[in-house]
Amino acid sequence: EAGVAQSPRYKIIEKRQSVAFWCNPISGHATLYWYQQILGQGPKLLIQFQNNGVVDDSQLPKDRFSAERLKGVDSTLKIQPAKLEDSAVYLCASSLGVFRSYEQYFGPGTRLTVT
Amino acid sequence: DQQVKQNSPSLSVQEGRISILNCDYTNSMFDYFLWYKKYPAEGPTFLISISSIKDKNEDGRFTVFLNKSAKHLSLHIVPSQPGDSAVYFCAASALETSGSRLTFGEGTQLTVNP
Repeated sequence: EAGVAQSPRYKIIEKRQSVAFWCNPISGHATLYWYQQILGQGPKLLIQFQNNGVVDDSQLPKDRFSAERLKGVDSTLKIQPAKLEDSAVYLCASSLGVFRSYEQYFGPGTRLTVT
Repeated sequence: DQQVKQNSPSLSVQEGRISILNCDYTNSMFDYFLWYKKYPAEGPTFLISISSIKDKNEDGRFTVFLNKSAKHLSLHIVPSQPGDSAVYFCAASALETSGSRLTFGEGTQLTVNP
């Protein structure tokens, strides 16, 4: 079974530029999550999708971050414009179930450096 | 507001001995707890979980203990192996939050020396 795929693995941009990350979850997984992991901290949920609908985006900085999951499969996370404090690893995860599905499968992450 | 806290950034143990990783939480609404393991350049992988209706869950060499009155959980690895060297995150979820939001601790780097 193929795991969660993410691209790119690394990205370096200057502040005020925009960037997009892509995630392909495990086939058949209804729920998709985007996390932000700042160095020395644990992952923090940014947004959770159930199929192509948003379940929880309460911790997403909506003035600069956006995400979509068209057709309930792949997802993209965008930052526009980027700030220095956005430097982090962005993790995508998926799970089979919808509500309270705790066993989340994570991708390798995209390491973003904003200079 | 750090609701889940792992106070030890690192832990070093000898192969064959017990590793004990600790986690404290403040939100009394948390009712489900998990441990994830993370190797460098990889995403976290699920290790073991426990519901608040239990105080212990065991899976092979891994056992998680939950003390609700102290708002404390721990992960025991016996015996520890060099391949267990990784960062371990505890995570928690509360019934009142939407979906399956997990709140993670900061992680503990475990090093098992041969």
